Order: sequence, then C-alpha cells, then structure tokens
Amino acid sequence: GAGVSQSPSNKVTEKGKDVELRCDPISGHTALYWYRQRLGQGLEFLIYFQGNSAPDKSGLPSDRFSAERTGESVSTLTIQRTQQEDSAVYLCASSPGTGFTGELFFGEGSRLTVL
Amino acid sequence: DQQVKQNSPSLSVQEGRISILNCDYTNSMFDYFLWYKKYPAEGPTFLISISSIKDKNEDGRFTVFLNKSAKHLSLHIVPSQPGDSAVYFCAAILGGNEKLTFGTGTRLTIIP
Repeated sequence: GAGVSQSPSNKVTEKGKDVELRCDPISGHTALYWYRQRLGQGLEFLIYFQGNSAPDKSGLPSDRFSAERTGESVSTLTIQRTQQEDSAVYLCASSPGTGFTGELFFGEGSRLTVL
Repeated sequence: DQQVKQNSPSLSVQEGRISILNCDYTNSMFDYFLWYKKYPAEGPTFLISISSIKDKNEDGRFTVFLNKSAKHLSLHIVPSQPGDSAVYFCAAILGGNEKLTFGTGTRLTIIP
C-alpha cells in the first residue's frame, strides 16, 4: 500500500482481555516504531524495530506489552490483561532505515478503549 | 521525566498573523529536532527539521529556530492560514539513535 496501514482502527474491550494491534509498514521500510497517545498526553515511545537487529523495547510500560515483527514486514503489538490505563491511540510508524532524517511515516492509529 | 516540553497546550492566532509555537528540552545531547503536525483522526506528519549545528531552517511559510544555550526551539508560521489549525508536536533525537522523543503537543487554532 501507499502508506502505513493499521488495524483495527477502533477496538473496545473489557478489562482483563488481551488485544492485538496490527501494523503494515510502507513497503521497503526497514524501521518500524510503535508509539501511543493517551488522552491529553504527548506521543509516548513504546518499541522500535530496525531490520534484523534486536528491538529497542525500552518504552514498553509493563510486561503485559509485547510486540513482534517478522522480517521487515507486518508488526503486531499485543497487550495482555488490558487495564483501563491502556486506553489510548496506538500509532505505528515506519521509516526507510537508511539515511535517517527523522521523518517517520505514521499510520492513522488504532484507538483502544478498555472498559 | 519529560525531556521535551511544550508548555502551551493551546494557541489561537488570527488568520494572516504569525503563529509561534515553543518547545523546550532538557537533554543537551539531543542533536536533531523536528516538528510534526497532526490533524484529528490522522497520524502525525513531518513538517520541518533542524540540526543542532544550525540555528535556523526555513521552508516556505515555516521557520524553525534553535537556541542551544537556552535549550529552546520555536516554530514560526507566517502568514497563518486556516489549514494550519492542528496539533503541533516537537521532537528530538539523540545522535546515533533513531528514536524520537516527542513533546506533549500544542493545539493551534487559526481564527478566520
């Protein structure tokens, strides 16, 4: 596709359930990022993948959060035993990974609501 | 620990006037700075950037100024247009690192 694609666009779940969010980066982009934006907050870094290197997981808020990426393609962010404070818009971004300019290409986000 | 701060959550400016958005940072090791713009229900999009070796970068109606001694950068938009109404995020990068640290955003409203 032309841009970063995320699904689902909206997800409402009950506290304690697991959720999976999907990101399809721009074809050929080796770097992939997950950020989240909670209500009234800025963009909070979660995790960064670059090619086959070990991911930078320094932003994951707890061990309930995990993410995977297969090669240089799709990534899934999994939140186990969701809590109300997990409610946020989860944004995925990709970048070419070479000649890094700081320009990330963001998807439209997945809005997660935990009841 | 908020390393990149945008202390004004909102700003209203008359159409045609100058909009000035401010951003402060605490980590003197940041060496590259960017501004992103975000419309509702869309992802942020890159607007303009500046390297720490410069103090100004201009692109059309947008100019970013960097004051390293004050650890402060600003985005000037002139003249402001209704389509500029959006949330603006500043972001910073540590040298050799490809992770962006974002501020909390400023909602800019351009009044026709």
